[in-house]
This record gives sequence, structure tokens and C-alpha cells, in this order.
Amino acid sequence: AQKVTQAQTEISVVEKEDVTLDCVYETRDTTYYLFWYKQPPSGELVFLIRRNSFDEQNEISGRYSWNFQKSTSSFNFTITASQVVDSAVYFCALSEGGYQKVTFGTGTKLQVIP
Amino acid sequence: DTEVTQTPKHLVMGMTNKKSLKCEQHMGHRAMYWYKQKAKKPPELMFVYSYEKLSINESVPSRFSPECPNSSLLNLHLHALQPEDSALYLCASSQGHDGYNEQFFGPGTRLTVL
Repeated sequence: AQKVTQAQTEISVVEKEDVTLDCVYETRDTTYYLFWYKQPPSGELVFLIRRNSFDEQNEISGRYSWNFQKSTSSFNFTITASQVVDSAVYFCALSEGGYQKVTFGTGTKLQVIP
Repeated sequence: DTEVTQTPKHLVMGMTNKKSLKCEQHMGHRAMYWYKQKAKKPPELMFVYSYEKLSINESVPSRFSPECPNSSLLNLHLHALQPEDSALYLCASSQGHDGYNEQFFGPGTRLTVL
């Protein structure tokens, strides 16, 4: 069975601070995919990134960066120089191989204070 | 067009009413999903349609009845709901039907059952 743990329920930071959102996953499959989604107060989940189990290369996109480490089963997300618009709930998610079902973590609510 | 649309945005219904939620996408995606999301919880998968056929039903009560009239449309028919069914109902679509594909979400329908 697959499982995604986001231990941080809520985080508050002051604007321009860096913040890291943690994600730990469990799966027995050797082929799997990890995702991060953002859910702003409007409600719509927005896809941010996908990583497959064979690609441990870290990725940077503007102020966002992701650190995937298979050795610790973690896929952490860092926002550099946070902005108020980053305030949202962030979900880490996992899907296995050829299976459609995505397992979401419980989410981390990020509040960026001006 | 990279959008998933959902109507209505808000719906209030009594326990004896029959109503329907509608979801539409024009991205040529062949998989479509219904999720239920309670406050401060992650989305919870209800149904998956793959190539217009129901492929996953997560043991959802029969008072929820999905329908996929064509590859662009997904409906969720509601009948004899309970107050605990009040939630945000999210529709999503993805290009393919395996775990690799990220999902595109609509803004949701906020349902209140009185």
C-alpha cells in the first residue's frame, strides 16, 4: 500500500523568508511518480511538478526547488524568498506504475505574512 | 484550452432533492475523475473514467451516480444525500490513464446538504 506523509500541518513565515515543505512517502513499487499540487483559497488544485522514481535529479523553477531523495523516501519542496501569493495548501502526492489512483498527503498550509 | 470547468460553483440541496454536477474539459484528455474534499482534508477519490468507461469506483454510496456522456463531459448525479455529504466536489482530467499523468483540476462545486 502507498502512503504519503506531510508532517507539517501549518507553517507561517514572513515574506521573503525561505521555507521547506516536507514530504515522505512509502511504496513497494519500483516505478512510481511523485507530485506536488498547490491549492489556493479559491479551491482549484494546481499541478506544480512531477518526478518519476528513476530520476533523482533535483529541479529548480524560479523560486521553487524540489529535492528528491530515494534513500530517505523524501520529496521536499522549497520556496525561496516567499511571497504572499504563495499562501496556500500544498499537497504532495504519489501514484504507482500503471495505476490511475493518486494518494495525496494530508497537506501543509503555508501562510506568508507580509 | 487548458481548463477544466465545473458547474455550478455552489449548490444547496435538501436530502430529498435530485441534482447534478457537471464537469467539462476540452484538452483531449481520456481520463476524468471525481473527488470529494472535506475541509482541511486532502481530496478523496470517488470515481475514475478511462476512455469513457468507469474504471475505478472507490466504494462510493449509490446516492452518487457518475456518468460520462462523451470524452469531454463528466456528470455526477446526486440523490437522497445526507448532511455529511456536504463538501467540495472536484473534477479532474489527465491525458492518459496511468500513474504518470498529472491531473488538471476544476475549481470545484461547493455542496451543502440541508
